[in-house]
Amino acid sequence: DIQMTQSPSSLSASVGDRVTITCRASLDITNSLAWYQHKPGKAPKLLLYGASRLESGVSSRFSGSGSGTDYILTISSLQPEDFASYYCQQYYSTEFTFGPGTKVDIK
Amino acid sequence: EVQLVESGGDLIQPGGSLRLSCAASDFTVNNNYISWVRQAPRKGLEWVSIIYSNGRTYYADSVKGRFTISRDSSKNMVSLQMNSLRADDTAVYYCAGGETVAGISNYWGQGTLVAVSS
Repeated sequence: DIQMTQSPSSLSASVGDRVTITCRASLDITNSLAWYQHKPGKAPKLLLYGASRLESGVSSRFSGSGSGTDYILTISSLQPEDFASYYCQQYYSTEFTFGPGTKVDIK
Repeated sequence: EVQLVESGGDLIQPGGSLRLSCAASDFTVNNNYISWVRQAPRKGLEWVSIIYSNGRTYYADSVKGRFTISRDSSKNMVSLQMNSLRADDTAVYYCAGGETVAGISNYWGQGTLVAVSS
């Protein structure tokens, strides 16, 4: 099974800050990586797939990069609605594992 | 507008069985991928199972042999039969649909709560 890790596990930031979250896979997943945003009591929301492809309707302040085993989610200018948990997920193998998540809260 | 609506969550005793359903609208379950993803209290998201458009099914190791995913094309619905339930199966269960690549979930339901406790 492919193991996914994320760092940091949580961070505090202010509106307008640039935020980066790192995701690492236990083997090369050839950009088969998605990022989701999840708010308490709400359905998760797909942000990016293919490591860097923005899902339709998602703000361009979200971007993704990386290759091989290491990937990054960047929020260019944090907005009030962005305070949430963020998860990476690999879909390279059929046990579609999520990372443990990164909680972004208000400083 | 695509909608996925889960139902069937309940309080159930350890060792018991439960069947969750996911009703889809504006999304044909036969032609797409449907996953179940869960979130235990104070934990992260955990992928549980998927059914492909070709009928293939896959499961997380944690539920293999206990859970079965299936679909009813006539009702445009996917179900998750959960047997031999354990306390660590307690979670909100989400139904998630994808159109292009297996594992990418473009659409999500609001979730249904399964609580396993005596």
